[in-house]
Amino acid sequence: DTEVTQTPKHLVMGMTNKKSLKCEQHMGHRAMYWYKQKAKKPPELMFVYSYEKLSINESVPSRFSPECPNSSLLNLHLHALQPEDSALYLCASSDNYGYTFGSGTRLTVV
Amino acid sequence: AQSVTQLDSQVPVFEEAPVELRCNYSSSVSVYLFWYVQYPNQGLQLLLKYLSGSTLVKGINGFEAEFNKSQTSFHLRKPSVHISDTAEYFCAVSLYNQGGKLIFGQGTELSVKP
Repeated sequence: DTEVTQTPKHLVMGMTNKKSLKCEQHMGHRAMYWYKQKAKKPPELMFVYSYEKLSINESVPSRFSPECPNSSLLNLHLHALQPEDSALYLCASSDNYGYTFGSGTRLTVV
Repeated sequence: AQSVTQLDSQVPVFEEAPVELRCNYSSSVSVYLFWYVQYPNQGLQLLLKYLSGSTLVKGINGFEAEFNKSQTSFHLRKPSVHISDTAEYFCAVSLYNQGGKLIFGQGTELSVKP
């Protein structure tokens, strides 16, 4: 298995909702990442987990809460989001040979 | 700190013509270099990478890139493009692969016209 799987592919949520994005990989990679991508822009790093511990938080608002239950899974919990948080959320994993990205979750906050 | 500059935001080209997408990076230490492609409404797909060794790197879909340390460049080339190559292309750098930041350039939109 050489893929990073993200679910759901699309998500519409209200500003008072709580939802979660999920990411899974079975490549044995020990680092996993969340990126946010707005239209016509490059991905921006949000969080990095290394060996299941949060190693980098790029000053992300607390309405985004990451979780790494085990070495294969990465979640992003969402609460009280704003319309400007609408974006493509990409998960990635890496080893010493490169980074692999999932196909993303297209999030719309209404 | 590391940074990446993609010198062209848009590159229009006719089908079967050659293309070069330019990427320069800034770093005080050695870096790993990557090119990714993103088709509309999709995630990022790795085209090629430079970790060490030969400075000419061959990737998927007929793309290649050359690492030039003295000019801190990693330009992407294809000798003959197809309509299907129309996409956004991102150059990226990392200090190390596992647990390190992958920093992206602003992207180059390649538009292949018939």
